[in-house]
Amino acid sequence: DAGVTQSPTHLIKTRGQQVTLRCSPKSGHDTVSWYQQALGQGPQFIFQYYEEEERQRGNFPDRFSGHQFPNYSSELNVNALLLGDSALYLCASSLLRGVTEAFFGQGTRLTVV
Amino acid sequence: ELKVEQNPLFLSMQEGKNYTIYCNYSTTSDRLYWYRQDPGKSLESLFVLLSNGAVKQEGRLMASLDTKARLSTLHITAAVHDLSATYFCAGVQPNEKLTFGTGTRLTIIP
Repeated sequence: DAGVTQSPTHLIKTRGQQVTLRCSPKSGHDTVSWYQQALGQGPQFIFQYYEEEERQRGNFPDRFSGHQFPNYSSELNVNALLLGDSALYLCASSLLRGVTEAFFGQGTRLTVV
Repeated sequence: ELKVEQNPLFLSMQEGKNYTIYCNYSTTSDRLYWYRQDPGKSLESLFVLLSNGAVKQEGRLMASLDTKARLSTLHITAAVHDLSATYFCAGVQPNEKLTFGTGTRLTIIP
């Protein structure tokens, strides 16, 4: 079992550009959640996808959007990048039904210059 | 909305000493997680605490949960350098939305 995998691991973008981050959940999991972790802070919930729909959303602007595919993998898109979007982006997978632990991927380090 | 507070934010301790990290949360949480994070790395799950009075131990780390007091603790026994990391607690709201504390940066001094 490969666990939760994210790509790419590192990314450098310029202000105003757009970026897409990818996540493949742990085998058997159907729910993907995305978190943003700025330097020196705890992870902040961005949104969660289940059955290809956004189920919950944190306090993030509409520049942050996502998608979930039929195979449960997910993408996080950020438009019009700002310097403040520089962070570690973490993907977590889980099962929506029942008590299951959320497993995290290794993260994507995004740097906006 | 669930809020999670940890203290202390920074902890510097000598090898061999014992210490406790505290995690308070504001409303009912389905369960409580403890994670470890090394610099530049992702989150490593340490403990999942499911019910009141739950106590789990792994090596020199022991976590407990008091749902009535809305308090979880992570106790470190006879600290060693390898335990230097940032530790996060996280409460869980419905549908696995995690709310994290601010983290405790632990440094073990030889």
